Amino acid sequence: DAGITQSTRHKVTETGTPVTLRCHQTENHRYMYWYRQDPGHGLRLIHYSYGVKDTDKGEVSDGYSVSRSKTEDFLLTLESATSSQTSVYFCAIFRAGDGYTFGSGTRLTVV
Amino acid sequence: GESVGLHLPTLSVQEGDNSIINCAYSNSASDYFIWYKQESGKGPQFIIDIRSNMDKRQGQRVTVLLNKTVKHLSLQIAATQPGDSAVYFCADQEGNTPLVFGKGTRLSVIA
Repeated sequence: DAGITQSTRHKVTETGTPVTLRCHQTENHRYMYWYRQDPGHGLRLIHYSYGVKDTDKGEVSDGYSVSRSKTEDFLLTLESATSSQTSVYFCAIFRAGDGYTFGSGTRLTVV
Repeated sequence: GESVGLHLPTLSVQEGDNSIINCAYSNSASDYFIWYKQESGKGPQFIIDIRSNMDKRQGQRVTVLLNKTVKHLSLQIAATQPGDSAVYFCADQEGNTPLVFGKGTRLSVIA
């Protein structure tokens, strides 16, 4: 979707290294979300933001942090990557009338 | 959606037939419900939504039915086409809290 971008489609990283994923939106939406998707678990919320510098934890927030210093960017950081964080990560924005609009996802492999 | 471990529930239908995908949700306070379609390698895409003050809503070839008494949501797809093959997720929301996703159902269309 043109309004939301996850520029990294695939990434391989080593266990113990920090990793930051970036989500960028061009439509000035207040709410942004990070989900992870794993087989058998569907989409699970990691963190979300309801404004600049306003964030909250989701269901699976352990091992992750986020930052939102400006409206258009929502960053997800894996502080010290582990193999259990191998997953597909989706960013989403909330658009009134369309629910959530998702980015194209980042497949992260931790080796 | 309900989990069956690592394997998604699968629905196989003949091209041209109608499909019905079911979803159970657990939060009786949820007031907004959405269906998403996810094709391989892509992010989920919005299909149709419904608010809790309605029990049916129709879109183009799709209908969503909501039964709040038994906390059940269904998606009906008329005249199913090969392009409808995908994984379908339901999601529910209470107020401004983040969407909670089901685990998905895989729809396979047999030509």
